[in-house]
Amino acid sequence: QSALTQPASVSGSPGQSITISCIGTSDNVGGYRSVSWFQHHPGKAPKLVIFEAKKRPSGVSDRFSGSKSGNTAYLTISGLQAEDEADYYCCSYAGSNTLVFGGGTKVTVV
Amino acid sequence: QVQLVQSGAEVKEPGASVKVSCKAFRYTYSSYYMHWVRQAPGQGLEWMGIINPEDGSTTYSQKFQGRITMTWDMSTSTVYLELSSLGAHDTAVYYCAPSAVPANPLEHWGPGTLVTVSS
Repeated sequence: QSALTQPASVSGSPGQSITISCIGTSDNVGGYRSVSWFQHHPGKAPKLVIFEAKKRPSGVSDRFSGSKSGNTAYLTISGLQAEDEADYYCCSYAGSNTLVFGGGTKVTVV
Repeated sequence: QVQLVQSGAEVKEPGASVKVSCKAFRYTYSSYYMHWVRQAPGQGLEWMGIINPEDGSTTYSQKFQGRITMTWDMSTSTVYLELSSLGAHDTAVYYCAPSAVPANPLEHWGPGTLVTVSS
């Protein structure tokens, strides 16, 4: 299965909001509610920040929010902070016990 | 607190096989699936496959069909990922992540196992 499409990089200033898109198809993002977003710092395990497209795990800052429209999911980080600088990946269930990840987006706080 | 313990780093020659292990402690569910995800240097996360320890059934990414095997050792509650015919492109960090059902979010991840393929 093809990877989901994310922008390679997004940048913003401290305090600003940024949004990352994740474009899939009706076979993955558009067909299931199981869309997740992960924050990944180099050398560490990925951290779940959004699941089921818009839900936040316990302990994740409410500056992280998610949404979905059709075949595209979105991750918004508001009040951008230096610690938010990381790689972000979307992931969708794709049926038949399979998952598919996006190519990743590098978030830079300038 | 859920803890996932993976085996240590490996260095393999091209053409060889590698077997990585993963064991979950204090996971909420007594029965769960285990996903394997890898990240090659400079690349993104890549889903490799999933195993259902209940019955040993597996689903693999088409990319790895024919050279990937996931198994479950009931006696030690340990899951294994074996990848054969290794090439330099298989150099990566390999992560395990459990989920109660395949579509559930991957809330917990192992620390990763670095596999380096080099002659």
